[in-house]
Amino acid sequence: AQSVTQLGSHVSVSEGALVLLRCNYSSSVPPYLFWYVQYPNQGLQLLLKYTTGATLVKGINGFEAEFKKSETSFHLTKPSAHMSDAAEYFCAVSEGTGNQFYFGTGTSLTVIP
Amino acid sequence: GAVVSQHPSRVICKSGTSVKIECRSLDFQATTMFWYRQFPKQSLMLMATSNEGSKATYEQGVEKDKFLINHASLTLSTLTVTSAHPEDSSFYICSISGGSDQPQHFGDGTRLSIL
Repeated sequence: AQSVTQLGSHVSVSEGALVLLRCNYSSSVPPYLFWYVQYPNQGLQLLLKYTTGATLVKGINGFEAEFKKSETSFHLTKPSAHMSDAAEYFCAVSEGTGNQFYFGTGTSLTVIP
Repeated sequence: GAVVSQHPSRVICKSGTSVKIECRSLDFQATTMFWYRQFPKQSLMLMATSNEGSKATYEQGVEKDKFLINHASLTLSTLTVTSAHPEDSSFYICSISGGSDQPQHFGDGTRLSIL
């Protein structure tokens, strides 16, 4: 069985500050991990994914995430927040890219000018 | 460019109406499609898994007679919400997979509002 826990349903940061969105997962098999962003009334946009290989994954818009097996975590970070980063972020786990996804409950990011 | 086309993007209709949502794969043959539902301020929950040429597999608590899924070809899956009621109002998103270890692509979603 697989599941995802996102700590903090709402995160607020100042523009230019570090963004840290937390994600912990549970999986009985080596996981594939994903971060998606969703803007209001829109679908999901893939930010980045981890499948195998390097544990530090770089994505679009300056985001990156690190897979830490010992901590079962896949936290999303960005060094400097931009106003356009305000959105809903979802962490997801899958047994493979072609399998169903299990999503976390999401974290709403607010960027304060 | 877009890999998945989901249509319509928004539907507003009266209670009792049946609504069909289409999900099309534009670039490749989609052997597996997934349908998710997202209630306001909540996460996406898998409704059903559809494999081309076979019946859809529904998640626990999802009424298969209410949410009809047809995956008749490798490029099209449809979700029909039959006799929709206000509690069916939600954001429905499809995703398409070309198979194990192939990238999964999400549609832009359909906002369904039942009056």
